[in-house]
Formats: sequence, C-alpha cells, structure tokens
Amino acid sequence: EIMLTQSPGTLSLSPGERATLSCRAYENLDSNYLAWYQQKPGQTPRLLIYGISSRAAGIPDRFSGSGSGTDFTLTISRLEPEDSAVYYCQHYGTPANTFGQGTKVEI
Amino acid sequence: QVQLVESGGGLVKPGGSLRLSCAATGFTFSDYYMSWIRQAPGKGLEWLSYISRGGTTIYYADSVKGRFTISRDDANNSLYLQMNSLRAEDTAIYYCARRYSGNDFWGQGTLVTVSS
Repeated sequence: EIMLTQSPGTLSLSPGERATLSCRAYENLDSNYLAWYQQKPGQTPRLLIYGISSRAAGIPDRFSGSGSGTDFTLTISRLEPEDSAVYYCQHYGTPANTFGQGTKVEI
Repeated sequence: QVQLVESGGGLVKPGGSLRLSCAATGFTFSDYYMSWIRQAPGKGLEWLSYISRGGTTIYYADSVKGRFTISRDDANNSLYLQMNSLRAEDTAIYYCARRYSGNDFWGQGTLVTVSS
C-alpha cells in the first residue's frame, strides 16, 4: 500500500484567498491515478479531481490539481465560504486505493 | 441519475457478522468496478475493497483482509460486503462507491456499530 500524507492538517484562510493543499506519496506513483475529494460536515465525499488534474463533472474551475511522482497539490484559486470542508487525496491504483488523512479548510 | 443505496448496517456484538448491501440504479452496473470505503466517527476515509467488472479481480485493505468479503450480483445490480469477526474498531459509516476515475459516485452510507 502506498501511504499518502496530507499537509497542512488545517488551513485557515479568508474568502478570495488561494488555498494550496499538499499530498505526498511515500513512493513514486507510476500512474496518474490520484484523486481529490471534498467532504462537508454531514455529507458524503464528492469527487473533485481525478487523474491528478482533471476536474470531475460540475466542479468549478477554481479547483485545480497538479503534481507528479510523489508530490501532488490541490489548489483552490479564490476561496468561497462554501469551500469550507475536509479535503482528501486518494491513490486509486492497484492493488490498494489508499486515502490521505485529510486537510481541513476553514474559511 | 446514478444512485447507490446502502443497507444492512446496525448494532452487532464483537465477533459477530453483518452483510451490507448496495443497490445501484441509473447506470449499467455490470460495466463498472465498485468499492467499499468506510469512515469511523470523526475520522478520515479508509478504503476497504474493490471488485472488478465480473468479479474476477478483488483487492482488500490489510485491515480487513481475511475477515471481509466483497461480492456482486450483476443480475440484481447489487454490491455486497460480508463482514465477519467484527471488532470495535470496525465501527464506522460504510459507503459503497462506483470506482471510475477515482470514486465518482457514492452512496449515503450505512452505520455499523460494533459494541457489547
């Protein structure tokens, strides 16, 4: 299993600011099978980004993903109040599909 | 539209068993890999298992290997998770999800509580 470490644990920012969330893998991901999810309190996780940088259907373009190898980033370019949530990265390769521990974004 | 509805959760004693079900509608179930993922109270997401189209390929997280069994019934558009030898640390909301470009659709989850 490839372990994923997310940082920071909590990010406190103001509306309109940029958020940069990190996801680091302990080994090189030799595929682009890296996804990001948003989970608001009491809600089901929602897929934001797949394949490192592709936005899922209906996701605003202020959300973007980047990275390669062991270092990946989710960027929220202009924070809105509704972006308050916990964000998880996930490697969905083979065999294991591990999640990072999450980053809480407070606005 | 895609819908996934889990059922079968509840209160079970340590060492007991439960079988979770996930009913899928709104897409051709047999065309997709499917996953089970859980979330303990106040904790993060934990991937448990996935099953390929046709059920020919299955993987489990180390934490549940040998205790949990994933299966599918394409004729009834259903996914299952048989959970045996349950422990207190298995207490969580259990989600089924369609495994496509990550996990693109999730059910609302079913709560499993393991307690004496």
